[in-house]
This record gives sequence, C-alpha cells and structure tokens, in this order.
Amino acid sequence: KNEVEQSPQNLTAQEGEFITINCSYSVGISALHWLQQHPGGGIVSLFMLSSGKKKHGRLIATINIQEKHSSLHITASHPRDSAVYICAVRSHGAQKLVFGQGTRLTINP
Amino acid sequence: EPEVTQTPSHQVTQMGQEVILRCVPISNHLYFYWYRQILGQKVEFLVSFYNNEISEKSEIFDDQFSVERPDGSNFTLKIRSTKLEDSAMYFCATTTGSSGNTIYFGEGSWLTVV
Repeated sequence: KNEVEQSPQNLTAQEGEFITINCSYSVGISALHWLQQHPGGGIVSLFMLSSGKKKHGRLIATINIQEKHSSLHITASHPRDSAVYICAVRSHGAQKLVFGQGTRLTINP
Repeated sequence: EPEVTQTPSHQVTQMGQEVILRCVPISNHLYFYWYRQILGQKVEFLVSFYNNEISEKSEIFDDQFSVERPDGSNFTLKIRSTKLEDSAMYFCATTTGSSGNTIYFGEGSWLTVV
C-alpha cells in the first residue's frame, strides 16, 4: 500500500469550476506539502501544512491530522491552473518527503 | 523569489559513463536534497545532506551514487557508472530547516542514458 494516495488521478473541468484534489496518507506526519508540477517538469511549492487551513489567492489547502487527509481546493479555476498537483508528506523524525503519484488537472476554456 | 539552480538542464550519456549533476542552493539554506522522477512515475527521494554529510538516504542511493559540496556553494550528485534505468529527471531541493519549512526545487536535470 502506498504511503500517500491522491484522488483523482486525472481531472478535467471547465474554466470557473471549483476544484478539489484529495490526499490520504498512512503514517504520522510532521508536515504535508502541496506542490505544483508544470508541463516542463519544474516543481513549485504551494503550501506546507501541519494543521488547519491555509489560503493563498484562489488556492486553499486543508488538513485533518486525525483522519490523515488533506484537500487542495482551487476556486474560479483558470486554464493556467492546468498542471500536475502533488501531495507529499514528511514523517515524524524524517527529512525526506514521500510523494503521491500526482493529480493531472486540465482546465478547459 | 529565491531559486535553486541546476545544471545541466539535459544530459545524454552512454551507459557506464560517470555523470555529475550540479545544484546551487539558496544561500541561507542548510538542508539539501536530491530527488528523482522516472518518466511517468512519482518523485522519489534519493538523499538528504546537512552539515557536510549525508543525513538520510534511500535504498535507491547505492554505492554508485555520491554527493558532496566541494566548494561550499555547489551541491553535486555523482553517478559513477550510469545504467539505462538511471534515466530520469533529477531534482535538487533545499530548505532552511529540517522540517516545517517551505521546500524549494530546482528546475531539474533530465538525464538520458543510452
């Protein structure tokens, strides 16, 4: 069983729709990261969470430590949001990040 | 916005050749990492480096891999004798601390072994 599972694997939506990407993990963590990978391959950090909720522009990330679950929401989605969104966790006492397989998001105009 | 820079962006090498991938971390960052992503697969951890020594490594990081920071600025990943299965995108990443900090990734070095 993978330590980090994301759903859905692929998501296609129309511009303006509200997007939710989910991440479940199986280990105790010190932090969870949401990352964005562009078509060229570069990876950008969106959020680092250890509890609660964070918001940046149209992006919102939440985490429920008890349920070992996190969600990334995008409001008023735009074609430029099209990318692969990756959840990654850091276990207690570890330095490495363990990555999910990513969610490929396509926003059509 | 601070950035991690990696060179080369793309390298093609013959199987069995040595490859060195270079990374310039963000200047006040203390923890350095190498990750790799085989085409179509998820990102995998290779090694973390702190205070001039390896602090954690994965099973992938066997004797053919090594890391060093020879001049206090560049952080390098060396693959001694490349194999076809080493073909992947290699990402350098850095953080200010070991946890609870934003992680910054370089743009990646795409290695193709032929």
